[in-house]
Amino acid sequence: GENVEQHPSTLSVQEGDSAVIKCTYSDSASNYFPWYKQELGKRPQLIIDIRSNVGEKKDQRIAVTLNKTAKHFSLHITETQPEDSAVYFCAASWGDKIIFGKGTRLHILP
Amino acid sequence: DAGVIQSPRHEVTEMGQEVTLRCKPISGHNSLFWYRQTMMRGLELLIYFNNNVPIDDSGMPEDRFSAKMPNASFSTLKIQPSEPRDSAVYFCASSLTGGDEKLFFGSGTQLSVL
Repeated sequence: GENVEQHPSTLSVQEGDSAVIKCTYSDSASNYFPWYKQELGKRPQLIIDIRSNVGEKKDQRIAVTLNKTAKHFSLHITETQPEDSAVYFCAASWGDKIIFGKGTRLHILP
Repeated sequence: DAGVIQSPRHEVTEMGQEVTLRCKPISGHNSLFWYRQTMMRGLELLIYFNNNVPIDDSGMPEDRFSAKMPNASFSTLKIQPSEPRDSAVYFCASSLTGGDEKLFFGSGTQLSVL
């Protein structure tokens, strides 16, 4: 069945350094890959997404890369700041169905 | 638009009681999703609807769980009878036409079953 694996589950980086979160998906039919950020006690919110016809997308300090052959995609955050501390979820969609990874808790260290 | 509205924000109940969670999607959105969030399992998809019709309920954990969408502006998730392991945050989300676009989440319902 459909499945999304996400690593690592926890990540600590020094403020100003880069953070990378990786995900793999099970079904090659998936064509849409969003990333959501969830701050403590808040709802998940979309921060960036990529579709299967694109290999990379960038929005200021965040970027997502997609390798359809290997069925994996990654989130890159550069020049991390304290406000980047949150839980990040990757997801993949199969038609109307969207499945999330288990999340990565990102800590930005001062 | 007020966004996706869920109620109640918090629910504390005793084991065996019936629990009903409510959701009002964004007006004009045709797809509605129910997710359950726990530390161990992350965000699990329970069920989703397109145009008020349940499409996939394979994520509903047991027969104790049921969901309805009687019209385009209202959905319920019911647990009967509730058990302590049902304790979690339940999120409702909506999108314009399906899962291959941005989901708008409600603020969630924190459920505690004692």
